[in-house]
Amino acid sequence: GAGVSQSPRYKVAKRGQDVALRCDPISGHVSLFWYQQALGQGPEFLTYFQNEAQLDKSGLPSDRFFAERPEGSVSTLKIQRTQQEDSAVYLCASSLGVAVTDTQYFGPGTRLTVL
Amino acid sequence: AQTVTQSQPEMSVQEAETVTLSCTYDTSESNYYLFWYKQPPSRQMILVIRQEAYKQQNATENRFSVNFQKAAKSFSLKISDSQLGDTAMYFCASKAGGTSYGKLTFGQGTILTVHP
Repeated sequence: GAGVSQSPRYKVAKRGQDVALRCDPISGHVSLFWYQQALGQGPEFLTYFQNEAQLDKSGLPSDRFFAERPEGSVSTLKIQRTQQEDSAVYLCASSLGVAVTDTQYFGPGTRLTVL
Repeated sequence: AQTVTQSQPEMSVQEAETVTLSCTYDTSESNYYLFWYKQPPSRQMILVIRQEAYKQQNATENRFSVNFQKAAKSFSLKISDSQLGDTAMYFCASKAGGTSYGKLTFGQGTILTVHP
């Protein structure tokens, strides 16, 4: 009965470091989304998974961003060679099925600060 | 492509009063959905209310209701009998039907403060 969880909740990285952000969706949820939320702004779509298949990665801002969901459950968002502009809250959301009407349930987010 | 605009960065209301948050959107889709999400300071985004564009009747969820004006592409949220727990950032969002995979497009948000 747990909701979407994300870890770590806070991450501080030095510019140039690689980071990995984890998302545990609600058990059995087929769809998984990643969003990036800059300070004081609305979330922006990054990428979408249907089970293990990454069907839409149109929102990834550069090739330094990489996401995977190898077994169709847990997902990891990796950012290589972090830059200051990567500082944001990264939100994960999951939904039960693939219907556009399905409700997305959000995790608490990971706040990434790049120094 | 879809765009969502919230022109009120901040709003405040007294407890028990009514407040309306504004939202306009633009889309080329004929089939789409509109949402209001609430994000309390703890940051867990929660769905407040949703509206299917093909439905003319405005959605209502307890103290929350929307005024959906399709021709004007307007989608405002009315909160009645405001409570202290309503204090949060509110986001208007849209979702296209078809092959968009259900990704949400959010507005910039409105910070709502309910005063005792």
